[in-house]
Amino acid sequence: EIVLTQSPGTLSLSPGERATLSCRASQSVSSSYLAWYQQKPGQAPRLLIYGASSRATGIPDRFSGSGSGTDFTLTISRLEPEDFAVYYCQQYGSSPSSWTFGQGTKVEIK
Amino acid sequence: QVQLVESGGGLVKPGGSLRLSCAASGFTFSDYYMSWIRQAPGKGLEWVSYISSSGSTIYYADSVKGRFTISRDNAKNSLYLQMNSLRAEDTAVYYCATPHSFDAFDIWGQGTMVTVSS
Repeated sequence: EIVLTQSPGTLSLSPGERATLSCRASQSVSSSYLAWYQQKPGQAPRLLIYGASSRATGIPDRFSGSGSGTDFTLTISRLEPEDFAVYYCQQYGSSPSSWTFGQGTKVEIK
Repeated sequence: QVQLVESGGGLVKPGGSLRLSCAASGFTFSDYYMSWIRQAPGKGLEWVSYISSSGSTIYYADSVKGRFTISRDNAKNSLYLQMNSLRAEDTAVYYCATPHSFDAFDIWGQGTMVTVSS
């Protein structure tokens, strides 16, 4: 099983600041099958990034994904009030029986 | 519009059973694989099960293997999760999800809460 470790657990920032979230895999993630999701309280997750660096429809360009192999990053260039939420990475390469999510990073208002 | 709506959640005693449903609309359901993903209260996301578009290929997380059964009825545009021998640790919001426009889960239902407690 590929274990995804997200850091930090909580990120305390102010609107307008840059957020850098890390997702590290215990083994190489095949073909960059790495996604990022945003979840707000009481809501289902929302896909932000797929294939490590491609933005989903309607996702603002202040969100960007990068990385390959075992190290991936989600960057929010300038935080807007609506960006304060929990972010999860997910690897979906290989067999579905090995799909896993990271434990999440909470981005909170400082 | 593209939509998934779960139902069937509720309170059940340990050892009991529950069947969740997920109704799809706005897209050709039979073209897409589906998954169930759950989230325990205050916790992260856990992939539970996968079923291919035809229903011929199925996978389960080790935590539910042998107790849960995923199925689909493409004629009814519906996905199901039969949950038997439920445990307290199965308490969670259960989401159905599918990769519709991208190769990751871009369509999610609103979730249905399952509580396993005596």
